Amino acid sequence: AQSVTQLGSHVSVSEGALVLLRCNYSSSVPPYLFWYVQYPNQGLQLLLKYTSAATLVKGINGFEAEFKKSETSFHLTKPSAHMSDAAEYFCAVSDQSYNTDKLIFGTGTRLQVFP
Amino acid sequence: DAMVIQNPRYQVTQFGKPVTLSCSQTLNHNVMYWYQQKSSQAPKLLFHYYDKDFNNEADTPDNFQSRRPNTSFCFLDIRSPGLGDAAMYLCATSKGRGPRGETQYFGPGTRLLVL
Repeated sequence: AQSVTQLGSHVSVSEGALVLLRCNYSSSVPPYLFWYVQYPNQGLQLLLKYTSAATLVKGINGFEAEFKKSETSFHLTKPSAHMSDAAEYFCAVSDQSYNTDKLIFGTGTRLQVFP
Repeated sequence: DAMVIQNPRYQVTQFGKPVTLSCSQTLNHNVMYWYQQKSSQAPKLLFHYYDKDFNNEADTPDNFQSRRPNTSFCFLDIRSPGLGDAAMYLCATSKGRGPRGETQYFGPGTRLLVL
């Protein structure tokens, strides 16, 4: 069975600082991994996904994530935080015991950005 | 633009009074999902349809049911809402059979309040 763990339920950074949101996965097969962002009272928007094509994945809004098999990690980074990045971020993995792309979500990390 | 639409965005109901939430999509996707998201928690899958094939999660209460009359529409029925059913309900779609890392596209959600 697949699962993801997000370390840190809250992360605070200053505007312009590096953003690092951590996600570790557990999977007995090559995983499909996703990062979604959720703004207050909104649905989830895909930031980026890993489907084994390239280990460094670039997404929207300047975010990227690197798949590291040796560390079973898929951390999300952005070189310079913007106030508009303040939101909840969810890491997710496809449950490959299903015949559809059922997602298993982590518990989320709330990002605060201070001026 | 192709999208996932949820109506209403906010729904207030009374304890025990049936309520229906609506989701429509213009993506022509085969799979539609319903998630429940309680405050500060990850989305939890309730059920999904692949075309007309209904798939219920094992821990989804019987109080929750769904209908998909055609490709574009899917409904979530809560037969007798309790206070614990107050949550954000998210509809999502994906293209087809997996798992192959296909993206799920989310609607903006319906926030349900039970009085």
